[in-house]
Amino acid sequence: EAQVTQNPRYLITVTGKKLTVTCSQNMNHEYMSWYRQDPGLGLRQIYYSMNVEVTDKGDVPEGYKVSRKEKRNFPLILESPSPNQTSLYFCATTTSGTSGTGELFFGEGSRLTVL
Amino acid sequence: AQSVTQLDSQVPVFEEAPVELRCNYSSSVSVYLFWYVQYPNQGLQLLLKYLSGSTLVESINGFEAEFNKSQTSFHLRKPSVHISDTAEYFCAVRPPYGGSQGNLIFGKGTKLSVKP
Repeated sequence: EAQVTQNPRYLITVTGKKLTVTCSQNMNHEYMSWYRQDPGLGLRQIYYSMNVEVTDKGDVPEGYKVSRKEKRNFPLILESPSPNQTSLYFCATTTSGTSGTGELFFGEGSRLTVL
Repeated sequence: AQSVTQLDSQVPVFEEAPVELRCNYSSSVSVYLFWYVQYPNQGLQLLLKYLSGSTLVESINGFEAEFNKSQTSFHLRKPSVHISDTAEYFCAVRPPYGGSQGNLIFGKGTKLSVKP
C-alpha cells in the first residue's frame, strides 16, 4: 500500500529542546516537501526536495532544517523550537519532472506543541 | 507567480442541500488545478483535478468542479451534501512543468459544515 508515514503524530515539547519529525515514503517519489498548517493561514511550504541531496527553502523556512540523504526519507529538524512553531505539520510527496501531474500524497500529520 | 483565493472561509449548509465552494486563481501561465479534502484529524486527500481536456471534472463521491479560463475559477459543487462531507476543502494550482517552479500553491481552505 502506498504510504507516507510521519512520526511522531503528536508531540508536546519545551522551548529550545531539539526535535526531529520523520517522514518516510514507499512510492519511490523524487519530490518530498514539508508544510505547516495554521488556522486561517492554510498550508505553507517550509522546505522541499527535488531529489536526494537536493533541498530548497519554501515560503516559511526560518527555524527549520531538513536533510535528504535517502530517497525515501525527509526528516524535519527543529534545532531550537519556539512557541510560534506550534502547528500541524504535513509531509507530502510526488513524482518530479514534466511528466508528473504534481498530485501530492500527504502523510497524516504531526501535531506539535511547543511550551 | 501563482496565487489562489478561496472566497469563503466557512460554509454552513443543511444536509441534502446543494453547495458551491469558490476558488479563483491568478497565473500568467496555464495551470493544473486541484481540490483536496481534509477530514477531521486526517491528512489531505486529492478530491479531483483538472489537467487538460474537458473543463468539467468529477470525483467518485459526487463532487464536480468546472475550470473556467476566462474567469480564472475552479469552483467545487455538489448537488446534495451529506453529513459525511463535513471537512475542510483546499483548492491548489501549479504550472504544468516541473522543477522548483512546480510546487503546489494552496488556498487558505474552506470549512464545509453540513448540519442535519
